[in-house]
Amino acid sequence: DAKTTQPNSMESNEEEPVHLPCNHSTISGTDYIHWYRQLPSQGPEYVIHGLTSNVNNRMASLAIAEDRKSSTLILHRATLRDAAVYYCILRSPSNSGYALNFGKGTSLLVTP
Amino acid sequence: NAGVTQTPKFQVLKTGQSMTLQCAQDMNHEYMSWYRQDPGMGLRLIHYSVGAGITDQGEVPNGYNVSRSTTEDFPLRLLSAAPSQTSVYFCASSYSGSPRANYGYTFGSGTRLTVV
Repeated sequence: DAKTTQPNSMESNEEEPVHLPCNHSTISGTDYIHWYRQLPSQGPEYVIHGLTSNVNNRMASLAIAEDRKSSTLILHRATLRDAAVYYCILRSPSNSGYALNFGKGTSLLVTP
Repeated sequence: NAGVTQTPKFQVLKTGQSMTLQCAQDMNHEYMSWYRQDPGMGLRLIHYSVGAGITDQGEVPNGYNVSRSTTEDFPLRLLSAAPSQTSVYFCASSYSGSPRANYGYTFGSGTRLTVV
């Protein structure tokens, strides 16, 4: 299975934009890029996903590199509530795509 | 909609006891799955189901049983609890459109299990 690489931790100031990077150099042409986050003592929460084009929703934006070997989750204005572990996950449309392969993720600290 | 509901939220078991963790969803999702999360680690898949009557093993299935008699419910049974099963358990569900990778999962809030 294709793997993802994320920094262990990042820090941001409140109300500033945050760019969370993810490398996935072995991504296959049909893998979708998903992002989840997990707030302290809660279950993971779906954030956004995409295949080739950049995506926007009410929570965040997803920028996908043209060669798809990396992507960036963008939080436009970080709030204290955005402090969480963010997971970048590749999902295959094949039968192996049922599982979400959570790695260690990036722990985002937001300071006032 | 309630989403994915897990009960109980907390449980303490003695070694050798059995119990069932409940999971119910009201979104008519075909896919349901169970994960465990150990301290400081990511989630690992225990079992999953692609529809009523169909289940399969994930990465760490030993010591757990599942069944799926209805679309809404996906209980996880611990047969004989061991301290190594102390963990936080999450249930998740997803729509089964095609391709399935084009849909996100909804997670429950978890069950914190301690086996002493």
